[in-house]
Amino acid sequence: AQSVTQLDSHVSVSEGTPVLLRCNYSSSYSPSLFWYVQHPNKGLQLLLKYTSAATLVKGINGFEAEFKKSETSFHLTKPSAHMSDAAEYFCVVSDQRVTGGGNKLTFGTGTQLKVEL
Amino acid sequence: DTEVTQTPKHLVMGMTNKKSLKCEQHMGHRAMYWYKQKAKKPPELMFVYSYEKLSINESVPSRFSPECPNSSLLNLHLHALQPEDSALYLCASSQQPGLNEKLFFGSGTQLSVL
Repeated sequence: AQSVTQLDSHVSVSEGTPVLLRCNYSSSYSPSLFWYVQHPNKGLQLLLKYTSAATLVKGINGFEAEFKKSETSFHLTKPSAHMSDAAEYFCVVSDQRVTGGGNKLTFGTGTQLKVEL
Repeated sequence: DTEVTQTPKHLVMGMTNKKSLKCEQHMGHRAMYWYKQKAKKPPELMFVYSYEKLSINESVPSRFSPECPNSSLLNLHLHALQPEDSALYLCASSQQPGLNEKLFFGSGTQLSVL
């Protein structure tokens, strides 16, 4: 079975300071891991994904994440926060093989990022 | 065109009504998904269609009935809903139904059941 734990439900940073959103996963297989962002009243947008290639993954808008198998972590970082980064962030794992096809994602509970002036 | 389009954006319905949510993509994707998202919660998978065939039904009540008329369209038919079904309903698609596939999400339909 797969699961995801996002360690912080809320994170608040000042504009221009680094962002760290934490995620730990549990998986029976070699997982694929994703970070999605959701702005208010919007759908989700993929920031980045890890699929067993490079452990340091670069995404859009200056975000990156590092896959650490020994720590079962996939934390999301950004060197300098911008006001437009304020949103809900979901860490997602996919490792379930489904008969007939289909991508069964397991979402974390989300981290609300607040960016202050 | 890299969009997943959902209509309507908002829907208010009574418990005896029948309504449908629509989802459309023109990216040639062969997997399409319905998710339900309650306020301040992560999305929950409802259904997956793979090559226009239903491949996952996450034990969703029969008052929700999905339909995939063709590879570009996905509908969710609603009948006799309950107030607790009020939520944001998200449609998504992926190029293939594989584990590593990126999902493209629509902006959702905000449903209120009175």
